[in-house]
Amino acid sequence: QKEVEQNSGPLSVPEGAIASLNCTYSDRGSQSFFWYRQYSGKSPELIMSIYSNGDKEDGRFTAQLNKASQYVSLLIRDSQPSDSATYLCAVNSNQAGTALIFGKGTTLSVSS
Amino acid sequence: DVKVTQSSRYLVKRTGEKVFLECVQDMDHENMFWYRQDPGLGLRLIYFSYDVKMKEKGDIPEGYSVSREKKERFSLILESASTSQTSMYLCASIEGLPTGELFFGEGSRLTVL
Repeated sequence: QKEVEQNSGPLSVPEGAIASLNCTYSDRGSQSFFWYRQYSGKSPELIMSIYSNGDKEDGRFTAQLNKASQYVSLLIRDSQPSDSATYLCAVNSNQAGTALIFGKGTTLSVSS
Repeated sequence: DVKVTQSSRYLVKRTGEKVFLECVQDMDHENMFWYRQDPGLGLRLIYFSYDVKMKEKGDIPEGYSVSREKKERFSLILESASTSQTSMYLCASIEGLPTGELFFGEGSRLTVL
């Protein structure tokens, strides 16, 4: 059974701080890695994707991937109250006929 | 603009009823998925389809079936609804191999009494 693990949280950070979200996965054949954000009562929306080892930055968000350690993380700099949401890590092997596997999500709370 | 439309946002059904949840995407995507989301359990894959008339079981297919007669439409069927199937159901689609963005519908919240 392929698994994606995340700390459920809640992770609480003050406004302006860096939030660090972590994810580990079990399938060494995984090739694509995603972070989705889900506000309460809403559907998930993609915020970052990463496919190769290292860092990928997009605005205040940085995704980090380490395939050897089977670890992917998301850093949110200058956290804002509007970042308060559940963050879902998703992983895929890119093989035909497969689907994304999601972690259970980490709830982030940013206090002003 | 990308659009995945789920036919019903909220449904209340009785135990034993047959339930249809419909999903339509307007992006000509090959792959479509049905997930359910429950507190503490996250998103769990029920079924997915990578082509018309093709279907694959996900992690929790028991009690569900699916239909994909046309590329744009993917239906989830609960043959005999049970209270354990009370949940949020999310449809999603993606183009080609699942390397890109998964687009979600707004979700269908089903309550089975």
